[in-house]
Amino acid sequence: EVQLVESGGGFVKPGESLRISCAASGFSFSDEWMSWARQAPGRGLEWVGHIKSKVHGGEADYAAPVKGRFIISRDDSENTVYLQMNSLKTEDTAVYYCATDHWNWGQGTLVTVSS
Amino acid sequence: DIQMTQSPSSLSASVGDRVTITCQASHDISDYLNWYQQKPGEAPKLLIYDTSNLETGVPSRFSGSGYGTDFTFTISSLQPEDIATYYCQQYDNLLPLTFGGGTKVEIK
Repeated sequence: EVQLVESGGGFVKPGESLRISCAASGFSFSDEWMSWARQAPGRGLEWVGHIKSKVHGGEADYAAPVKGRFIISRDDSENTVYLQMNSLKTEDTAVYYCATDHWNWGQGTLVTVSS
Repeated sequence: DIQMTQSPSSLSASVGDRVTITCQASHDISDYLNWYQQKPGEAPKLLIYDTSNLETGVPSRFSGSGYGTDFTFTISSLQPEDIATYYCQQYDNLLPLTFGGGTKVEIK
């Protein structure tokens, strides 16, 4: 059974950084492209970015609102994908979800950016 | 960016009713479309992938159709447990991946 468990969310001030993690199990993690998406309170879903599998080059792509501030990385030995969020803004406040290439989603972790 | 226009934004229907949600893409996305169900406080759940393929374990009252720019999601007989918000999502090669704005389904 595919399991994705996000962690590391919390409360930060504008301009600060935070790294959240997504631990995966139940599938061949190294073969899978992994995505991050987010949902601001009371709002719809927004794709944040994805990271390709190493066999496809391992590069990451990002949505425009986070490009240059967020970095997605992966550790295939730990079956974990990370989202490093820098220069956080109040509009980054959201529940952040990781998802597999077949769009199985974790339960999400809440990131709140506020002064 | 490919815009996904989903309608209606909300609907109210009776148990047993047929419910239809549409999603229109601003560019041709072939059949690269997913449909999700999201209940309050929960993560989105994939119901249909590649426009019309039912995810394992999803009841057969859910279905999807379409191609190119116009897509339809149908619940053939609405059940109380179907109360949720539904989203379409395109995953064509052109980034970013984008979602429709959501349709909140309520029981009348």
